[in-house]
Amino acid sequence: SQQGEEDPQALSIQEGENATMNCSYKTSINNLQWYRQNSGRGLVHLILIRSNEREKHSGRLRVTLDTSKKSSSLLITASRAADTASYFCATESANSGYALNFGKGTSLLVTP
Amino acid sequence: KAGVTQTPRYLIKTRGQQVTLSCSPISGHRSVSWYQQTPGQGLQFLFEYFSETQRNKGNFPGRFSGRQFSNSRSEMNVSTLELGDSALYLCASSLLPAAGANVLTFGAGSRLTVL
Repeated sequence: SQQGEEDPQALSIQEGENATMNCSYKTSINNLQWYRQNSGRGLVHLILIRSNEREKHSGRLRVTLDTSKKSSSLLITASRAADTASYFCATESANSGYALNFGKGTSLLVTP
Repeated sequence: KAGVTQTPRYLIKTRGQQVTLSCSPISGHRSVSWYQQTPGQGLQFLFEYFSETQRNKGNFPGRFSGRQFSNSRSEMNVSTLELGDSALYLCASSLLPAAGANVLTFGAGSRLTVL
């Protein structure tokens, strides 16, 4: 079953703009991760935030986590055409038995 | 360092047939997981293996099975294929338990079409 739900389902922006994607989940978690997928290929891990962290940065990525609201957001600053992809949040819980629960993803289109 | 390698990349089968997919994890990664990705259901967990032992299995029928070998390579098998088994099958490896968190490195996937 899907634990995370991303919002919006699709997002279209121009190069140079910022892109924000949101993820909501249902149960308590150990950590939340964001992955990127290009054109139906394998997923690439972007960033992990643990349940006791509120914000993390990695290059042009900024992730926030609000455990009280069971939500996370991914901000990509100064977007590039190469950022066009689907983005998924995935949660890992203490009782998930090594399984990550993925949301259905946000499809991001960055136009030149 | 070589990534996660999945073979075959594409395959077409007919209903009732069976299929075996192979996955070679990153060297040193002992945990291998499999996921099924479809447009309707998204990414769904199939199973996870560590040291040749299946530690967890997702909510899939018994037609879906897998195994892991002593070199950490893994295979999954789907028997009596149904049209609904058409999907992208993704293998991922991780450094569990050393890493402390299950950060997955994915292969490019095996795209299965069932006719």
